[in-house]
Amino acid sequence: GAGVSQSPSNKVTEKGKDVELRCDPISGHTALYWYRQRLGQGLEFLIYFQGNSAPDKSGLPSDRFSAERTGESVSTLTIQRTQQEDSAVYLCASSFRQGASPLHFGNGTRLTVT
Amino acid sequence: AQRVTQPEKLLSVFKGAPVELKCNYSYSGSPELFWYVQYSRQRLQLLLRHISRESIKGFTADLNKGETSFHLKKPFAQEEDSAMYYCALTDTGGFKTIFGAGTRLFVKA
Repeated sequence: GAGVSQSPSNKVTEKGKDVELRCDPISGHTALYWYRQRLGQGLEFLIYFQGNSAPDKSGLPSDRFSAERTGESVSTLTIQRTQQEDSAVYLCASSFRQGASPLHFGNGTRLTVT
Repeated sequence: AQRVTQPEKLLSVFKGAPVELKCNYSYSGSPELFWYVQYSRQRLQLLLRHISRESIKGFTADLNKGETSFHLKKPFAQEEDSAMYYCALTDTGGFKTIFGAGTRLFVKA
């Protein structure tokens, strides 16, 4: 079946505007992650959803960032009042279950804040 | 706190030479460790995981709990191995997976 799908692939926005990034995980995957990858840096954990449990939001950098997930399907990452330092590639990943299951990544959304 | 450290940002070797990408971790329990790879213009994907004790594309990685390391090795590098490599740790509750900063491997002809 299809892999993890993210949209849009590229987004350019003006400073101060809100943006929504979308992730469609692999069907049946109960776990979903968002990561941020700034230029030349590693993957920074943002948020983790597992089934119907409360999400682990410990990586969200500020209250301008929020994410939702509908059941075990689509997730949206919202960034309010974007700042230039939000410019990065935002990666979504899903996995079948917890533990040793590997993550399957989308192609990412490249966000540029001007 | 959990942490994954990849000390080398860039590693450049000649084709046919051995390669070792270093990864050290900090975790109080028994972690599950992975290596992920991102080839040019492709998405990040799993290379191998320590519980499988497998060799993928000639790469192996051994978990050394004493040294808290999970170095990735290959005896003879190939040009197609050029990519970005990330070491990752998942806590035993299976909740959060964190990544190192990544090492870019460049294999020269």
